[in-house]
Amino acid sequence: DTGVSQDPRHKITKRGQNVTFRCDPISEHNRLYWYRQTLGQGPEFLTYFQNEAQLEKSRLLSDRFSAERPKGSFSTLEIQRTEQGDSAMYLCASSPEPDTQYFGPGTRLTVL
Amino acid sequence: GNSVTQMEGPVTLSEEAFLTINCTYTATGYPSLFWYVQYPGEGLQLLLKATKADDKGSNKGFEATYRKETTSFHLEKGSVQVSDSAVYFCALTPYSGAGSYQLTFGKGTKLSVIP
Repeated sequence: DTGVSQDPRHKITKRGQNVTFRCDPISEHNRLYWYRQTLGQGPEFLTYFQNEAQLEKSRLLSDRFSAERPKGSFSTLEIQRTEQGDSAMYLCASSPEPDTQYFGPGTRLTVL
Repeated sequence: GNSVTQMEGPVTLSEEAFLTINCTYTATGYPSLFWYVQYPGEGLQLLLKATKADDKGSNKGFEATYRKETTSFHLEKGSVQVSDSAVYFCALTPYSGAGSYQLTFGKGTKLSVIP
């Protein structure tokens, strides 16, 4: 049983650069979520897809952030013009139904 | 809005001790409640859940009961092991006939179990 995978696992970038993360959900899960987790905090919701449609976005998701899920399969999260405050763990989760989310290992972003 | 408050850590226990991690929530309607666990170097894993009042979720010796009257979902285990050392997160999803069912998490409680 293949779980949720995320790539890369770690990313170090310089302030002002653009970065893109990928999430591959569990096959046939139509719901996909992105969360952000900073040190010592619980994950915070960023955005939600049902199939290819992005249905909800948090106010945390500034204009520099964009997410896509073409064809309702994998998803990408792009951050443009990164800032030091963007340093965090970015988590992806997929779900076959409400109330059951399966998380990937996360991508740890460090902005220098 | 929705929120989850859980006891601050870290918590250090000796092996075979009794564990309680307190969790209270604020939400409208009837949320579903969860405990997630994050082992060192690993992703979040669902530990247990309860979807309505008085439900008890259980898994791997851990239990939590959905108490609507006290808006609580405290995590308990009768005898902890070194392998239970991890960070534990309480979380909820709002009751909704539609929408994202996004999770709202507490800040997490780090548990260390010593032999």
